[in-house]
Amino acid sequence: QLQLQESGPGLVKPSETLSLTCTVSGGSISSSSYYWGWIRQPPGKGLEWIGSIYYSGSTYYNPSLKSRVTISVDTSKNQFSLKLSSVTAADTAVYYCGAAGTWFDPWGQGTLVTVSS
Amino acid sequence: NFMLTQPHSVSESPGKTVTISCTRSSGSIASNYVQWYQQRPGSAPTTVIYEDNQRPSGVPDRFSGSIDSSSNSASLTISGLKTEDEADYYCQSYDSSIWVFGGGTKLTVL
Repeated sequence: QLQLQESGPGLVKPSETLSLTCTVSGGSISSSSYYWGWIRQPPGKGLEWIGSIYYSGSTYYNPSLKSRVTISVDTSKNQFSLKLSSVTAADTAVYYCGAAGTWFDPWGQGTLVTVSS
Repeated sequence: NFMLTQPHSVSESPGKTVTISCTRSSGSIASNYVQWYQQRPGSAPTTVIYEDNQRPSGVPDRFSGSIDSSSNSASLTISGLKTEDEADYYCQSYDSSIWVFGGGTKLTVL
């Protein structure tokens, strides 16, 4: 059974880079069955797709975030990662990773990242 | 790209039926599958409907999905409402390597 788990700092300073990792267990990140994606949810607000990566390394980003987002995959560790640069308070959110075909399932439990000095 | 618009909130009584809509702004709703997620406070979303009208195993048949090309919208219908159905519901679709979520609907069962 596929499981995903986010990890990374819970506090990031404004203008710095947010970095998170998603560890995949119960399956291979090199599987052609899935894209691997990041979704975020600001407190009290809705879900926003950030971007996705295929095992081949092809990346797809939300146009509204594209200039600040980098998603990469490490097949040796069965992990994929998110980097979001030049963060502001508006980037404070719960960040989820997920496995996707045309929809996301399963999701990680989510990790709260707060942007504050 | 396109947007998915949902009502901000709906409410209904236990035992009744409620329908949540999801309207696509451009392009045909029938062009790409629509999914529905349920999110309870403090938890990650879980899928209740995928590919317009398919239920994952474990999701009760009180949950159903449909699409209506005339209104360019998808709908999630929950019948026989239970208090445990109170949650946020999100629609989602996919097109050309872009995943799009609706803004979410808060369902209150009172």
